[in-house]
Amino acid sequence: GQNIDQPTEMTATEGAIVQINCTYQTSGFNGLFWYQQHAGEAPTFLSYNVLDGLEEKGRFSSFLSRSKGYSYLLLKELQMKDSASYLCAVRDSNYQLIWGAGTKLIIKP
Amino acid sequence: GAVVSQHPSWVICKSGTSVKIECRSLDFQATTMFWYRQFPKQSLMLMATSNEGSKATYEQGVEKDKFLINHASLTLSTLTVTSAHPEDSSFYICSARDHPDGWRPQHFGDGTRLSIL
Repeated sequence: GQNIDQPTEMTATEGAIVQINCTYQTSGFNGLFWYQQHAGEAPTFLSYNVLDGLEEKGRFSSFLSRSKGYSYLLLKELQMKDSASYLCAVRDSNYQLIWGAGTKLIIKP
Repeated sequence: GAVVSQHPSWVICKSGTSVKIECRSLDFQATTMFWYRQFPKQSLMLMATSNEGSKATYEQGVEKDKFLINHASLTLSTLTVTSAHPEDSSFYICSARDHPDGWRPQHFGDGTRLSIL
């Protein structure tokens, strides 16, 4: 079966750095997405990786290793507004998005 | 750019009522639209995928006669929950892709919170 694993919850301090990991086993691979979802709101797109390596976008970076079935989202200079759930999603060989359950990130002052 | 508008944002109605949710792409043509359901503290669950002018493709376990999807134009898709019951209470989210290429991200509407009494 297809599976996306990410930690259920993480806690970090304002101003610090946090890394949210995602491992996947899917039938084929056509890209990995990270979305941010605040409570009660729809997800918003953060990043996309299809080749191995690091994609940097401001305070957020996303890394992919296809051979390891592994990605991480790195958030720097954490702000209170970064408290949200972070969803990892993989597009499989049928271009279907397979979603992880999300990681709830709690930022403390 | 790439704004998706979903309406209504919140619906409370009696059991047995049918509820229609609209999803519009405001500044782009959506080749494909997706309907998701999300229960509290759970991940997004894809219900169906719809392409303009053709029948929606439903995920396994989703009743097509209960969740009617119409994708009449490149900017509008509707989801009708027919004869809704309390177990249908959930957060329904639509998304749209602005390009047939599969790598493009999906743009999400703000969601509809459906509460069936």
